[in-house]
Amino acid sequence: QSALTQPASVSGSPGQSITISCTGTSSDIGSYNLVSWYQKDPDKAPKLMIYEGGKRASGVSNRFSGSKSGNTASLTISGLQAEDEADYYCCSFATSRIGAFWVFGGGTKLTVL
Amino acid sequence: QVQLQESGPGLVKPSQTLSLSCTVSAGSISRGTDYWNWIRQPAGKGLEWIGRIYTSGSTDYNPSLKSRVTISVDTSKNQFSLRLTSVTAADTAVYYCARGGAAPGAFDYWGQGTLVTVSS
Repeated sequence: QSALTQPASVSGSPGQSITISCTGTSSDIGSYNLVSWYQKDPDKAPKLMIYEGGKRASGVSNRFSGSKSGNTASLTISGLQAEDEADYYCCSFATSRIGAFWVFGGGTKLTVL
Repeated sequence: QVQLQESGPGLVKPSQTLSLSCTVSAGSISRGTDYWNWIRQPAGKGLEWIGRIYTSGSTDYNPSLKSRVTISVDTSKNQFSLRLTSVTAADTAVYYCARGGAAPGAFDYWGQGTLVTVSS
């Protein structure tokens, strides 16, 4: 199975909005509303931000939102803050003839200018 | 809140077996809807899901690792474990354990991660 496709990097200035895309296939994102997004700082464990495509995890700012259209999911961060600078990973439940599994995207480095 | 902690050797020789455990505290590993996962991240690369186990013993594995992976659970110790056989340098990574199930399709609690290096 192939990893989901994310842009390697995105950037934005404080206060702006950015969107990170995550493209999969009809075997993962396209078939299941089980996309999650994780924020990861170096040397720290990933932090769940969004699940089921658009639901915010407990304690996550409403500046973070998620959506899905077809085989592509998106994470939008509005009102960018310096503390948002991190790597972001999408993840989707998937199935194949072999069974059920999860597949991650390659990660997107967000730089706040 | 639930806490997870990985433990195990930080150095494994090529062709040998990597073994890690994850201890769950401040919560029962046997909560019905939860499943317990192993996820890894090689240096400079993305996250890779390895597999999951329910406390019933039911498992799912990453198809690319399935032939080498075994995940088991010991509910009496509130612990689950990973075995990865025939390791190579490509298995060098930070290994995380994580809980799934409470947030559908997502991993809401993670261990801090443990670095395992495969080298002779």
